[in-house]
Amino acid sequence: QKEVEQNSGPLSVPEGAIASLNCTYSDRVSQSFFWYRQYSGKSPELIMSIYSNGDKEDGRFTAQLNKASQYVSLLIRDSQPSDSATYLCAVNSGGTDKLIFGTGTRLQVFP
Amino acid sequence: DVKVTQSSRYLVKRTGEKVFLECVQDMDHENMFWYRQDPGLGLRLIYFSYDVKMKEKGDIPEGYSVSREKKERFSLILESASTNQTSMYLCASIGGGMNTEAFFGQGTRLTVV
Repeated sequence: QKEVEQNSGPLSVPEGAIASLNCTYSDRVSQSFFWYRQYSGKSPELIMSIYSNGDKEDGRFTAQLNKASQYVSLLIRDSQPSDSATYLCAVNSGGTDKLIFGTGTRLQVFP
Repeated sequence: DVKVTQSSRYLVKRTGEKVFLECVQDMDHENMFWYRQDPGLGLRLIYFSYDVKMKEKGDIPEGYSVSREKKERFSLILESASTNQTSMYLCASIGGGMNTEAFFGQGTRLTVV
């Protein structure tokens, strides 16, 4: 079992819709969870971090964490074509600063 | 403005060459990481370092070594480059404690021929 799992996609949504990205992780000790966005040919950039169960909202983005189910998700409201990118879920491993990434989900937002 | 700088954006090396990839950060971060990124495989951790002269193996350390002689610099070494090491290499640094955001360098696209 991979430490961090994501559906590779592509996930295609129309402009203005809600995009829902999901991630599961295997290490129950993990404390920190992140969503990074990566445009083609560019480095990943952090868009959301979440540390406790529940929802965390930042503008059009909402991260959701359920530690009991070992599940973290990212919702993007009012999706825009500029949101088209690969979204990487990252989890710290073993309660350390070691950061493990999923393989990423490619999101396509079409006009 | 925080910065992680990798020494080369593109690199072409021959099989068997010793290759050095350099990464420098100006944020006084304790933790630095080397990943490689391949299509369909995501970012895979090669090595990381949590302090000067300290290093730990990641998930795919075979064929690589690292050096961290100064806090701001973390080097990845390919002892004898092989074609299966053709990849995008990304360096990242993290502050530690509650500040766990990773900052990435611009990446080095290495081609081994």
